[in-house]
Amino acid sequence: SQKIEQNSEALNIQEGKTATLTCNYTNYSPAYLQWYRQDPGRGPVFLLLIRENEKEKRKERLKVTFDTTLKQSLFHITASQPADSATYLCALENSGGYQKVTFGIGTKLQVIP
Amino acid sequence: NAGVTQTPKFQVLKTGQSMTLQCAQDMNHNSMYWYRQDPGMGLRLIYYSASEGTTDKGEVPNGYNVSRLNKREFSLRLESAAPSQTSVYFCASSSGTQLSGEQFFGPGTRLTVL
Repeated sequence: SQKIEQNSEALNIQEGKTATLTCNYTNYSPAYLQWYRQDPGRGPVFLLLIRENEKEKRKERLKVTFDTTLKQSLFHITASQPADSATYLCALENSGGYQKVTFGIGTKLQVIP
Repeated sequence: NAGVTQTPKFQVLKTGQSMTLQCAQDMNHNSMYWYRQDPGMGLRLIYYSASEGTTDKGEVPNGYNVSRLNKREFSLRLESAAPSQTSVYFCASSSGTQLSGEQFFGPGTRLTVL
């Protein structure tokens, strides 16, 4: 069966360090993978998309890698700040089309000052 | 632009009551979605609409109905609410024309069924 795995346990890191979040998947062949940020009591907000033929994508302090052989995406936040504290969701393209994606349960990141 | 708006923000129902959750977007998007989010379960797709006039079931459609009233509006109806439908409901939209499928989410409706 299809599965998306994100570390459900919270990740605590010190301010200024690089946070690395993992998204593993099985029985998917996604054309793209997305990362979203969700703050408590709010809807998810799109951050980055990476396509299957891209190894790495950057946006300001964010970096995403996509290894289709390992079936894994890594999401990095460099020089992390307390304002980066949130839950981060990965989402994989669903072969059902119409821009449908399936979301992981998310990893909660806490950046400690 | 307001983006995606949802009403109401909060709702408490008794078992068996019915209600409709409203969603509207002002981005001229073709595709719209309804999700529910439960602790430990993540976001799960209830129904989606690829374009005006079409709707399709998602992962967890039982107990729900939807209406794509026009291009802007997509409503979710609970005909006979059950405690298992206690959840946070999110509406989302996407352009439907780009490969990326970036979705824009509303602020959510927190529903409690007693």
